[in-house]
Amino acid sequence: DSGVTQTPKHLITATGQRVTLRCSPRSGDLSVYWYQQSLDQGLQFLIQYYNGEERAKGNILERFSAQQFPDLHSELNLSSLELGDSALYFCASSGSVSGSNNEQFFGPGTRLTVL
Amino acid sequence: ELKVEQNPLFLSMQEGKNYTIYCNYSTTSDRLYWYRQDPGKSLESLFVLLSNGAVKQEGRLMASLDTKARLSTLHITAAVHDLSATYFCAVVITSGTYKYIFGTGTRLKVLA
Repeated sequence: DSGVTQTPKHLITATGQRVTLRCSPRSGDLSVYWYQQSLDQGLQFLIQYYNGEERAKGNILERFSAQQFPDLHSELNLSSLELGDSALYFCASSGSVSGSNNEQFFGPGTRLTVL
Repeated sequence: ELKVEQNPLFLSMQEGKNYTIYCNYSTTSDRLYWYRQDPGKSLESLFVLLSNGAVKQEGRLMASLDTKARLSTLHITAAVHDLSATYFCAVVITSGTYKYIFGTGTRLKVLA
């Protein structure tokens, strides 16, 4: 158990809908990262937050947004969902702003299925 | 375009054999990570390599980093079935937008 929690574990929804994925980092970690893993795209870095502020952006679509709250939990919002958004979404956390001297600890993931 | 390439993509090997997985990246970075993922599971951090020439070992796995060649290797010694998993390398890019880029992954199957 990495100490990173994600809810829900599974999510099934329809095209055009909006969903929110939630992540709680390890105790004491200030950085949260979001990743998308699909069969055709592999593991894609989406976005990083540090202590409530956005720090880095990867291949995140405009339909997707994220935020980190004062209690350091983070939410990833996916809107106008398309079939291709079906994937496993991981959250990871680490202690430092860069994350480069600390390991990232991954949560169990949320499996999103868009029908 | 920034790329992190692993080879091989698939590896089937006999127990007791040695093999190396390669991770090549196309831009300057001095920080590289190796992760393991079991089917349907999350990613587990294996190694953090923070400088040129860094070598780390844990059990039957050893990872190294050559930043000049933009190459990292994950060497498997005397493979056992429990090592069957998908292995990812990831590179941190710090020029321009700070981001992590994961390799394509190497799916390893160790046959008894």
